[in-house]
Amino acid sequence: QLQLQESGSGLVKPSQTLSLTCAVSGGSISSGGYSWSWIRQPPGKGLEWIGYISHSGNTYYNPSLKSRVTISVDRSKNQFSLKLTSVTAADTAVYYCARRDGVRGTLNWGQGTLVTVSS
Amino acid sequence: QAVVTQEPSLTVSPGGTVTLTCGSSTGDVTSGHYPYWFQQKPGQAPRTLIYDTSNKHSWTPARFSGSLLGGKAALTLSGAQPEDEAEYYCLLSYSGALWVFGGGTKLTVL
Repeated sequence: QLQLQESGSGLVKPSQTLSLTCAVSGGSISSGGYSWSWIRQPPGKGLEWIGYISHSGNTYYNPSLKSRVTISVDRSKNQFSLKLTSVTAADTAVYYCARRDGVRGTLNWGQGTLVTVSS
Repeated sequence: QAVVTQEPSLTVSPGGTVTLTCGSSTGDVTSGHYPYWFQQKPGQAPRTLIYDTSNKHSWTPARFSGSLLGGKAALTLSGAQPEDEAEYYCLLSYSGALWVFGGGTKLTVL
């Protein structure tokens, strides 16, 4: 059974870089047809799509975050990552990773991890 | 950038039926937007109820159904249960390169 587990620093200082990893178990990140996404949710607010990386390595980002975001895959570790640069308090949120099956359309979520931006 | 709109809040009586909708600022929502519906309860991660307009995950209760209705994506709950009280979000794809969430609908079962 697929499991996605986010990990990374829970506290980041303003202007620094937020780095998160999503470990994939119960499936291979190298399997074809899947895309790997990051989504966030500020406290008390709605969901925001950050971006995704396709199986072929193409990346697609939310235009409002595009200049600061990088999503990458590490096939050797069966995980994918998010980097968000120049963070501010507005980037404080629960960050979720997700896998979308491009053939069937299903979308599976991780449990999420809270990242707080504060000095 | 496209804006996806949902009703901020709705109330349904136990056993009743309610329809949540998801509209797009760019025009009619179609199957090409691959509409998703997610349920989120307080303190929990979202879980996918509906994908590609009307397909259900294995865990999706039969009382939930998805469709296209009047140019919008729709989530219908028939026979509401107390445990269905939650926030519901839709998600639309724009040419596969951009995904946009709706602002969410807070559903109260009362």
